[in-house]
Amino acid sequence: QLQLQESGPGLVKPSETLSLTCTVSGGSISSSSYYWGWIRQPPGKGLEWIGSIYYSGSTYYNPSLKSRVTISVDTSKNQFSLKLSSVTAADTAVYYCASIPATVFSVDYWGQGTLVTVSS
Amino acid sequence: SSELTQDPAVSVALGQTVRITCQGDSLRSYYASWYQQKPGQAPVLVIYGKNNRPSGIPDRFSGSSSGNTASLTITGAQAEDEADYYCNSRDSSGNHLFGGGTKLTVL
Repeated sequence: QLQLQESGPGLVKPSETLSLTCTVSGGSISSSSYYWGWIRQPPGKGLEWIGSIYYSGSTYYNPSLKSRVTISVDTSKNQFSLKLSSVTAADTAVYYCASIPATVFSVDYWGQGTLVTVSS
Repeated sequence: SSELTQDPAVSVALGQTVRITCQGDSLRSYYASWYQQKPGQAPVLVIYGKNNRPSGIPDRFSGSSSGNTASLTITGAQAEDEADYYCNSRDSSGNHLFGGGTKLTVL
């Protein structure tokens, strides 16, 4: 069973870059069976897809965030990462990392989530 | 359009059946997945594919689809089913979409 754990700063200043890492255990991030994704949820609001990456390096980004988002994979550490640039208060949210089986395109495992607040 | 639309809130009497719906053009081509989220917790997958339940999900949860509408049905709703429910699908570009969520109240 996969386990995912987010890590990174809980507070980011406006205009700076938000950086989070997801550590995967119980499976290989190099597996062709999975995509790896990031999803966020502003306080009191719904879920928003940020993007995902396949083991081959192919990336898929939410068009509304595409200009500010980069998702990458570090196979040596079994981790994948999110960078979101030029953040504003609207980027304050709980950020989840997730695993998506390539055959069903559903999120089967979620990290516990980490709250990132954008404030000076 | 690349959007999924859900009713904001639905209520059901304890033990009765409730249907939560999700509408969107992408659902004509791709199945919806459904997630349950309780306060302070990460979402949990309850239905995926045509009508599949992950291990541990009670069989009172079922899914169906017709045209541009996907449905999650809870047959014999329990108090512990009170939660937010989100539908999720994909578009032709490989991007994921989420519905706005439905708050289910069990009376």
